[in-house]
Amino acid sequence: GAVVSQHPSWVICKSGTSVKIECRSLDFQATTMFWYRQFPKQSLMLMATSNEGSKATYEQGVEKDKFLINHASLTLSTLTVTSAHPEDSSFYICSAGREWGTGELFFGEGSRLTVL
Amino acid sequence: GENVEQHPSTLSVQEGDSAVIKCTYSDSASNYFPWYKQELGKGPQLIIDIRSNVGEKKDQRIAVTLNKTAKHFSLHITETQPEDSAVYFCAAGGSTLGRLYFGRGTQLTVWP
Repeated sequence: GAVVSQHPSWVICKSGTSVKIECRSLDFQATTMFWYRQFPKQSLMLMATSNEGSKATYEQGVEKDKFLINHASLTLSTLTVTSAHPEDSSFYICSAGREWGTGELFFGEGSRLTVL
Repeated sequence: GENVEQHPSTLSVQEGDSAVIKCTYSDSASNYFPWYKQELGKGPQLIIDIRSNVGEKKDQRIAVTLNKTAKHFSLHITETQPEDSAVYFCAAGGSTLGRLYFGRGTQLTVWP
């Protein structure tokens, strides 16, 4: 199956700093990637849709200035949590699809962010 | 938008028994229904999916059934093994390009 890689798998940072998470599609090109946030024992919450070469589309209630998304190439999307605070601590997961119109998505391994 | 309901939230079975997880959806335009398995601290892994033009799909011990009229689909795991223990998510999509709507998840525990 298709492989989507996330980096880092976990990160600890101080409050007020910014953290960047990378999402790469390793064996296919993805014009669109998705970023999710997952709290313990809960489902995946879609944060934004990352579009290659254009601005991301954010879900209602997600602060676009807080969660900066850049999709500079067909294989890489980045999520930057700016001025992180303890409430931003969460599990962040990205996904990408190989063939649009089929809906099939492959997920990265996730990135655990802990803000002290 | 789409609303996906998933039941049960927790399921415990004895090794070798079958496990069934059920989901319903609201948007009749949805045409793609994947199931994901998520182990602790990892991202979801696609285990099986079904499209609206078929009613059942099977892959070894895993099967999925779809009833479009009733708008529900189910995951069936036979001969369960302890390594099947994980959280399983159903999802529905296809009406909006690449967008999936997830159920709340089922924690499956298989006791040896």
